Amino acid sequence: AQSVTQLGSHVSVSEGALVLLRCNYSSSVPPYLFWYVQYPNQGLQLLLKYTSAATLVKGINGFEAEFKKSETSFHLTKPSAHMSDAAEYFCAVSAYNQGGKLIFGQGTELSVKP
Amino acid sequence: EAGVTQFPSHSVIEKGQTVTLRCDPISGHDNLYWYRRVMGKEIKFLLHFVKESKQDESGMPNNRFLAERTGGTYSTLKVQPAELEDSGVYFCASSHQTGPSETQYFGPGTRLLVL
Repeated sequence: AQSVTQLGSHVSVSEGALVLLRCNYSSSVPPYLFWYVQYPNQGLQLLLKYTSAATLVKGINGFEAEFKKSETSFHLTKPSAHMSDAAEYFCAVSAYNQGGKLIFGQGTELSVKP
Repeated sequence: EAGVTQFPSHSVIEKGQTVTLRCDPISGHDNLYWYRRVMGKEIKFLLHFVKESKQDESGMPNNRFLAERTGGTYSTLKVQPAELEDSGVYFCASSHQTGPSETQYFGPGTRLLVL
């Protein structure tokens, strides 16, 4: 069975600082991994996804994530935080034989201080 | 192109009442998913439609929940009778094709509060 763990339910960074949101997964088959972002009062928006091509995946708004099989991780990073990055971030895994359903982590609330 | 829409945005009902949530997927998307987030917990899968057929309903919590997608367009999720633990945010998502690498587009969610 697949599972996702996001370390840290709340992360706070200063504007301009590095953003690092951690995600570890468990999967017995090659995983497909996603990062979604939810801004207040909006739906989830895809930031990026890993589908077994390049291990370093670039997404929207300057975010990127690196798939590390040896560490079963898919951490999300952004070199310089902006106030507009304040939101909740979700890591999710989808398995090859599961019809596309997503299994989510608990979510990480990112706060950006001026 | 219109995104996934959900109605209502909020619903407050009393225990024992019935509530029906509606989801309109992106036009042309055959796949429709329902998810739920109970407060303080992770977002959990409820079920998956391909066109009008239920592909996977393994996440439905019990028989008080009934999902339909007549005609393969919009979907409804009915909770009857509602219980306190049904409170949460119900998300709908759609995708064009079936598969683990397909991007799912999410609606804004329906916030359900059962008193």
